[in-house]
Amino acid sequence: GAVVSQHPSWVICKSGTSVKIECRSLDFQATTMFWYRQFPKQSLMLMATSNEGSKATYEQGVEKDKFLINHASLTLSTLTVTSAHPEDSSFYICSAINGPVDGYTFGSGTRLTVV
Amino acid sequence: RKEVEQDPGPFNVPEGATVAFNCTYSNSASQSFFWYRQDCRKEPKLLMSVYSSGNEDGRFTAQLNRASQYISLLIRDSKLSDSATYLCVVTTRGNEKLTFGTGTRLTIIP
Repeated sequence: GAVVSQHPSWVICKSGTSVKIECRSLDFQATTMFWYRQFPKQSLMLMATSNEGSKATYEQGVEKDKFLINHASLTLSTLTVTSAHPEDSSFYICSAINGPVDGYTFGSGTRLTVV
Repeated sequence: RKEVEQDPGPFNVPEGATVAFNCTYSNSASQSFFWYRQDCRKEPKLLMSVYSSGNEDGRFTAQLNRASQYISLLIRDSKLSDSATYLCVVTTRGNEKLTFGTGTRLTIIP
C-alpha cells in the first residue's frame, strides 16, 4: 500500500532553535499534504494544508510565520517549526491523499520536545 | 461546540465483551465518515469507513444516521489487541481535510 515516510521520529531541541520535519510519499504523488498536531490526551488538530507548488493554507490560530510549510515537489512536504518554545512540544503528523481507493495515508509522526 | 464529539471514555471492558462507541457531528454538510484507531504514540490507522447502509468488517460494525448526525462503532468479542484509542473522523463536502473527534480510549482487560 501507499507509504508516507516521516522523519525524524523524535527530536529534542533547545528553545529558540528551528526544527524541520519531512514527509515523503514513497510510491505515489502527493499533490496535497495535511499537517496535524496532537497534544497529549487530545485529538489531532489540523494545522495546515499544503499543495504542491503553491502556498499552504493555515487553519485559524496557526501562525504561518512560525510553522513554515514547503511543498516543492509531488513527493516531499516539509514543516519547519521556527524559534521553537516548550509549548510547541507535541506530536506532529502528516497525511496525504492517495486517490479514492487508498484514501488517506499518514506518516508515522514526529514527537518534538523543546527544552 | 466541537465539530465532532465522542464518548469521553475511558472504556475498560473484559475480554470477550461487546463495546459500543458513539459519535456526533455538528456540520450537516459532512460527507464522509470513518473510524480510525490510534495506538499510543503512533499514527492513526483506518479501521473502517462508515456508510448510511451500515457496514460490517468481521467483529466490527459501523452505523451512520445522517438525520441524527450520529455515528456508531460496535466491537464484538473484544480482544486484548483491540486496546487503543478510537477516533471518529469526518470530512465535509467540497473539502478533503479530515476532522477528528477527541477519541475514546479503550482498554480490554484479560
